[in-house]
Amino acid sequence: DQQVKQNSPSLSVQEGRISILNCDYTNSMFDYFLWYKKYPAEGPTFLISISSIKDKNEDGRFTVFLNKSAKHLSLHIVPSQPGDSAVYFCAATQGGGGSNYKLTFGKGTLLTVNP
Amino acid sequence: DAGVIQSPRHEVTEMGQEVTLRCKPISGHNSLFWYRQTMMRGLELLIYFNNNVPIDDSGMPEDRFSAKMPNASFSTLKIQPSEPRDSAVYFCASSIESTEAFFGQGTRLTVV
Repeated sequence: DQQVKQNSPSLSVQEGRISILNCDYTNSMFDYFLWYKKYPAEGPTFLISISSIKDKNEDGRFTVFLNKSAKHLSLHIVPSQPGDSAVYFCAATQGGGGSNYKLTFGKGTLLTVNP
Repeated sequence: DAGVIQSPRHEVTEMGQEVTLRCKPISGHNSLFWYRQTMMRGLELLIYFNNNVPIDDSGMPEDRFSAKMPNASFSTLKIQPSEPRDSAVYFCASSIESTEAFFGQGTRLTVV
């Protein structure tokens, strides 16, 4: 049973436009959520996170929104750049405050930003 | 810091052979994770160590899989005997409590 779901395997957007990547979760015990970015032949790298006590966290071009009632989060990239082309993984954990015990990952969304 | 270092980067082995994957975590990190990535199942946590002690190995698929962390700077994941369905990319990651996990570049394992 997938506790973290990324229902879109791929997404294609034009450079300069907004990219919106979505993630749903089923475990109500999750209280900390992360987005990782992965280039081919590399390991995932941390991008941005959000605690369940917030509904938005912003870092430059990247914003993560959390809707706890819907058990849904999204990553917005504005403006999108060709270098953002990668696989994006949504991850969740419980324990609060950034503890990284047992991160549960979604299957990832391949983002392609076209010049 | 060089980050999390995994070796080998690629491993091709025959079914039935023993495979050992190695990981050097970031110095000072006290948590170490082994993940497996496949097309079907995505990124799965296999085992988690904290202060060199295995805390949760519920993700280890079978008794053919074992992991050790003899000291704070080294961990191994062993598969014996290996099977074609073990073919995947295996990632090691490390963290300090209250920070995100840092991943190595992974070992691509192919069992033929």
